[in-house]
Amino acid sequence: EVQVVESGGGLVQPGGSLRLSCAASGFTFRKYAMTWVRQAPGKGLEWVSTVTHSGVSTFYADSVKGRFTISRDNSKNTLYLQMNSLRADDTALYYCAKVVVTTAWAYGMDVWGQGTTVTVSS
Amino acid sequence: EIVLTQSPDTLSLSPGERATLSCRASQSVRSNYLAWYQQKAGQAPRLLIYAASSRATGIPDRFSGSGSGTDFTLTISRLEPEDFAVYFCQQYDNSLVTFGPGTKVDIK
Repeated sequence: EVQVVESGGGLVQPGGSLRLSCAASGFTFRKYAMTWVRQAPGKGLEWVSTVTHSGVSTFYADSVKGRFTISRDNSKNTLYLQMNSLRADDTALYYCAKVVVTTAWAYGMDVWGQGTTVTVSS
Repeated sequence: EIVLTQSPDTLSLSPGERATLSCRASQSVRSNYLAWYQQKAGQAPRLLIYAASSRATGIPDRFSGSGSGTDFTLTISRLEPEDFAVYFCQQYDNSLVTFGPGTKVDIK
């Protein structure tokens, strides 16, 4: 079964850090770019970051640039999101998602996890 | 950054009816880098359409996507009870991804 499972969410104080993980299985992880998307409570979807299949290239939303770092370990089929200097408006459900095609990450994401909740509050 | 606008905000229809959802971009979306997702309450999004008109694996053929440039449409030919949900469009441009605010399709 093709799936991704997120973990690492929790309650953190403003200014704190958290590292999210996403374990992938059922597909050739090293061939696909991977993405993090978040959804604040009752709100829409917000793209956070994407890493290419090799991990060489990374891309970020302006709202997280300089604070978040995406990375991957293809030997462990795992995606990461290191989140520093967290703010209240980072509070959201964070989804890990696989892009739909190997040739480009622009076309969308076809495999999503159930998400991990990050709450930033004092 | 390309901004996506979706209309209507809410579409109230009955099962069996046709649903037409609109997604308009503030600038032209090149190479048809436009996708549509369905999200039900408490669930992750589900990819329906990518590259503006290609159905994702396992998506019923009652879902179709069309459009180019700045105007895109998701059509559900005959609504099934499980199709009542929120639908988001998404685009890629210049290494940035943005989502539309969503259209809720609810039961009339």
